[in-house]
Amino acid sequence: AQSVTQPDIHITVSEGASLELRCNYSYGATPYLFWYVQSPGQGLQLLLKYFSGDTLVQGIKGFEAEFKRSQSSFNLRKPSVHWSDAAEYFCAVNTGGFKTIFGAGTRLFVKA
Amino acid sequence: EPEVTQTPSHQVTQMGQEVILRCVPISNHLYFYWYRQILGQKVEFLVSFYNNEISEKSEIFDDQFSVERPDGSNFTLKIRSTKLEDSAMYFCASSETSGRYNEQFFGPGTRLTVL
Repeated sequence: AQSVTQPDIHITVSEGASLELRCNYSYGATPYLFWYVQSPGQGLQLLLKYFSGDTLVQGIKGFEAEFKRSQSSFNLRKPSVHWSDAAEYFCAVNTGGFKTIFGAGTRLFVKA
Repeated sequence: EPEVTQTPSHQVTQMGQEVILRCVPISNHLYFYWYRQILGQKVEFLVSFYNNEISEKSEIFDDQFSVERPDGSNFTLKIRSTKLEDSAMYFCASSETSGRYNEQFFGPGTRLTVL
């Protein structure tokens, strides 16, 4: 069965520091991959997506993610974190069917 | 930019009562979905809907749940007899296609509290 693993339940970074959130998926072929962000009490906002082509994708708010087939990973990165980036981040996968499968999420804390 | 809207933003109900959560998908989208997120947990797929019928549902989507597209714009989730464990955030989503390039657009959610 398809699954998404986000190994870090929470991460704390200093403002201005770089960020990498990890995501691994389980699926035999190339899935369609997404990163969403959820601020407290809010809905899901799409940060970026990968369907095919260039394995480094750019998203909104200065985020990027790299698809690595050999590692079954789709890690999210940002070179310099802002305090407003504090939120929960969800990696998600769609394998060409109807449902999107979400990881458990990584909560990002940003310290001054 | 078109967006998915949901009403109400917060619903409080007594255990055993029926609730209807409403969604207005993006107008040219053909596929509709409901997801659930229990507080502190991951977002879980409930059901997908296309051409006026359920196309896929999860094991969570049991007989107490139903979905409907009563008119050309609304998409509803009904919970017939709510239980305490139905307390969650419910997200509606819609997409233009299914399968390849299926990008689902999510609404802001309805927080359901069952007392």
